[in-house]
Order: sequence, then C-alpha cells, then structure tokens
Amino acid sequence: NAGVMQNPRHLVRRRGQEARLRCSPMKGHSHVYWYRQLPEEGLKFMVYLQKENIIDESGMPKERFSAEFPKEGPSILRIQQVVRGDSAAYFCASSGSTGGFATGELFFGEGSRLTVL
Amino acid sequence: AQKITQTQPGMFVQEKEAVTLDCTYDTSDPSYGLFWYKQPSSGEMIFLIYQGSYDQQNATEGRYSLNFQKARKSANLVISASQLGDSAMYFCAMRERNTDKLIFGTGTRLQVFP
Repeated sequence: NAGVMQNPRHLVRRRGQEARLRCSPMKGHSHVYWYRQLPEEGLKFMVYLQKENIIDESGMPKERFSAEFPKEGPSILRIQQVVRGDSAAYFCASSGSTGGFATGELFFGEGSRLTVL
Repeated sequence: AQKITQTQPGMFVQEKEAVTLDCTYDTSDPSYGLFWYKQPSSGEMIFLIYQGSYDQQNATEGRYSLNFQKARKSANLVISASQLGDSAMYFCAMRERNTDKLIFGTGTRLQVFP
C-alpha cells in the first residue's frame, strides 16, 4: 500500500516534552496538509505545505507548534512543551497538485494519536 | 465565513435499510466542493463521495449517493442497503475555490443494527 504513511500511530508524552509526528505523502504527491481532531470533534485544518514551503498556516496555534516539509524526507509536525490539551489525533493528507483534490483526490493517512499525560 | 453543519449526532438504521445523513453548508463562493468521509472505529479517514458545485447531476458511488440541493445549501449523504460495516462516524466537508483546506462538520455517528 503506497498510501499516506504516518508514524508513530500512537505517541505518549508527559507535559513539557516534545512530540514529533511524521508524514510521508503518497508517491508523486508534493502537497501535504495537517489536520487535528480533538475527541468527539471533526477535523480542523492546521497547515498546508509544499516541498520546503509553508503555504498556509492559518490553523496552527501561534506558539509551540511548527511544521516542515523538507526537500528530502517526510513532513514533520512538531509540538514543543506539550500540554494535556494537545492530546488529539493528528491527520496528514496529501494531494498531487494545488486544488487537485477538487475531485476528491485528497488522501488521508491513518493518523497519529497523541496522548499527553 | 464558510461553515458546515451536521445536526444529527447519532443515527440508527436497520441492516438493509437506507439512511440519510444530513449536511448543510454556508459559503458565499459560487465555486466549491463537498465531500463525505467515513471514519470507522479504527480511526482512518476514508473518502466516500464528492460533489462539485457546478455538477449537474448528484454524485453516486456504489451504495453512496449525495442528495445535492444547491438552493437549500444541503448535501445529504444517502447510504442504501445499509450493512453492519457501515457503522462509523461520517463527516461532511467543504472546500472553497482557491483554498486548499477542507472545513469539516462535527460528524454523525451511524450505527447499523441487525
């Protein structure tokens, strides 16, 4: 299965630690999106990246959260000094081109579930 | 501001019956896309069906169809011949032209019983 790969699937951190979530898009895709799903809620957009560029980070919290998509390697969502409210499922999605998912061509990974103790 | 509303927190349906999951949206953009996703208990997001605002016909994908009523700004998902495996959360989402992000509703939890 050459779909969107996220790891780790589950991550447990204590308050104040750092969390790093990785996303490898589908082969040939250069657009990555991160979404956060709090318990019993829908997904909320966080950030949209292309290779080496952040295109839209309007959904990212102003502090402690950062994202990158380097020329080589997976996209990384980094949360510094985690707090209990960061506990959520973090989903990555990829598409092949800007607006390419106009016809549903946005593919999600299985998510990374962060638990902050 | 764009918004997606799913007013049914939970729905029950008997196996082999049809069920409609409601979704209304609000946007000022004439060009937009509407999506439905299924999220089973395992957590992954599974794309079901897409409807473009300029599509003349309602979208269908197997047992899934989208009842698109543009004037009412509704995009209800119809699942025919429900199966036990259809039990899951269902999310409606919208994308406006010239943006690259989806706005999701709060979801409807569907339970199919024998």
